[in-house]
Amino acid sequence: KQEVTQIPAALSVPEGENLVLNCSFTDSAIYNLQWFRQDPGKGLTSLLLIQSSQREQTSGRLNASLDKSSGRSTLYIAASQPGDSATYLCAVTNTGGFKTIFGAGTRLFVKA
Amino acid sequence: GAVVSQHPSWVICKSGTSVKIECRSLDFQATTMFWYRQFPKQSLMLMATSNEGSKATYEQGVEKDKFLINHASLTLSTLTVTSAHPEDSSFYICSARDGGVRDTQYFGPGTRLTVL
Repeated sequence: KQEVTQIPAALSVPEGENLVLNCSFTDSAIYNLQWFRQDPGKGLTSLLLIQSSQREQTSGRLNASLDKSSGRSTLYIAASQPGDSATYLCAVTNTGGFKTIFGAGTRLFVKA
Repeated sequence: GAVVSQHPSWVICKSGTSVKIECRSLDFQATTMFWYRQFPKQSLMLMATSNEGSKATYEQGVEKDKFLINHASLTLSTLTVTSAHPEDSSFYICSARDGGVRDTQYFGPGTRLTVL
């Protein structure tokens, strides 16, 4: 059974810092991995999607990596801004059945 | 990009009533749709997998008679919360699988249900 863990659960950083959010998963038979952002009381915003054959994806100040063999992904946020404050969710979609399992999320607070 | 809509975006109902939530894929056909539930300050939990024209497959611990799922067409799945109670209050999110070239899952904006 796939389990997805995110560390840390919460993070508070001053504006301008670079930061790394971690995601680990137990079953390497994945189809893809996605990082989402969720603002309080809102739905999901897809940030980056990495297919199982890919190693990383980049979008603006965001870079996500995937190491399937070790069951790990990282989301790197460069030059953090107060507007980056949100909960970041890691989600793994398994092969066969296409079920997506979410991590518990990392709550990020960027101080101005 | 592909869009998935949900209706309503929020609903408040009295205890004992039933509530229907719609999930539509607007510009692609979705052979499979998924329903998730998110309690406050928790992550999303998969409730069920819905395949067009067949019965939904429910995750362990999810009552199929409580949460009725119908996937009547390739662009529409509905979740009906029957005889809702305050503990059913939650954020419900659907996703739809576009099985085309990219074979990707797209998420709806969610429906917030509050049962009084």
